[in-house]
Amino acid sequence: DQQVKQNSPSLSVQEGRISILNCDYTNSMFDYFLWYKKYPAEGPTFLISISSIKDKNEDGRFTVFLNKSAKHLSLHIVPSQPGDSAVYFCAARGNSGYALNFGKGTSLLVTP
Amino acid sequence: GAGVSQSPRYKVAKRGQDVALRCDPISGHVSLFWYQQALGQGPEFLTYFQNEAQLDKSGLPSDRFFAERPEGSVSTLKIQRTQQEDSAVYLCASSLVGTSGATNEKLFFGSGTQLSVL
Repeated sequence: DQQVKQNSPSLSVQEGRISILNCDYTNSMFDYFLWYKKYPAEGPTFLISISSIKDKNEDGRFTVFLNKSAKHLSLHIVPSQPGDSAVYFCAARGNSGYALNFGKGTSLLVTP
Repeated sequence: GAGVSQSPRYKVAKRGQDVALRCDPISGHVSLFWYQQALGQGPEFLTYFQNEAQLDKSGLPSDRFFAERPEGSVSTLKIQRTQQEDSAVYLCASSLVGTSGATNEKLFFGSGTQLSVL
């Protein structure tokens, strides 16, 4: 059973516009959330994270929003750039677990 | 090296063959994880080491899978009698601190070993 869900397999956005990637989770014990970015033939690289005590975390062009009541988080990329084209994975962890639970990923394509 | 190194990069095995996948974590990193990523899926947790201690192996899919990290640095994931369903990318990740009491550390992933079982 998938505890972290990314329901959009792909997303296409024009350069300069906002990209919004969504993620839902089912386990209310999750208290730490991360986004990873993956290029082909490479391992995932950490992008941004958020603790459950916050509802927003910002790092340059990347902002993650967390809505605990809805068990939903989103990643906003503004402005989007062609180099942002990659697969983005949402991941979550509980405060007593070792493993990260990953979604299936969303493939983002930013077109010039 | 600067990052997590995995070898081989690609491995083709005949069904029933044993394979060994190697991971060199970032020097000094305490935590080491193995994940399995099937085509079109996200990474799935296999096992976790804190130094040389294997603290969680709940994700290993069967007793054909075995992992070790005898000196607390390099780790090997061994798969015995490989099956076609074992075909996947095997990712290794490390982090500087142990997970207990430190929930905000991030993982550094290697590029993975792509295993194809024919």
